Amino acid sequence: DIQLTQSPSFLSASVGDRVTITCRASQGISSYLVWYQQKPGKAPNLLIYAASTLQSGVPSRFSGSGSGTEFTLTISSLQPEDFATYYCQQLNSYPLTFGGGTKVEIK
Amino acid sequence: EVQLVESGGGLVQPGGSLRLSCAASGFTFSSYGMNWVRRAPGKGLEWVSYIRSGGDTKYYADSVKGRFTISRDNAKSSLYLQMNSLRDEDTAIYYCARDLGYGSGWDWGQGTLVTVSS
Repeated sequence: DIQLTQSPSFLSASVGDRVTITCRASQGISSYLVWYQQKPGKAPNLLIYAASTLQSGVPSRFSGSGSGTEFTLTISSLQPEDFATYYCQQLNSYPLTFGGGTKVEIK
Repeated sequence: EVQLVESGGGLVQPGGSLRLSCAASGFTFSSYGMNWVRRAPGKGLEWVSYIRSGGDTKYYADSVKGRFTISRDNAKSSLYLQMNSLRDEDTAIYYCARDLGYGSGWDWGQGTLVTVSS
């Protein structure tokens, strides 16, 4: 099984900060990686697919990069509505797996 | 507008059974693979099961293999998860999710809560 290690697991930041979240895969997954945002009581929302493609309707302050085993999600200027938990997911092979999540909270 | 609406969750005793449903609308259901994913209290997301668009191929997480069965009815645009021999650790919010294909991510429903407790 492919393990995804997300870091950090918790992040405290201020509005306007640049935020970077890392996701490392235990083996190469090409670009079969997506990022989701989840707010309390809500379903996950797709932000990035194919490691770096912005989903339609997602603000351009979100960006993704990487391939193989190392990936990053960057929020260029954190907004109040961005405080949430973020997950990476690999779609390379079954069983599909998620990272452990990164909770972004207000400093 | 794509809609995925889960139902069938509730309180069940350990060893019991429950059948979840997911009603899909706003897209051609028979053209998409579908998944079940869960989130236990205080934990992260865990993929549970996948079924291909035609229903011929199914995959399961090891944690549910032999206890859960995924199925679909394309005529009714509905996805199901039959859960047997439920355990305390199956307590979670269960989401159905549409696979957009080719690594493009998923659309998700709002989830239904399953609580396994005596």
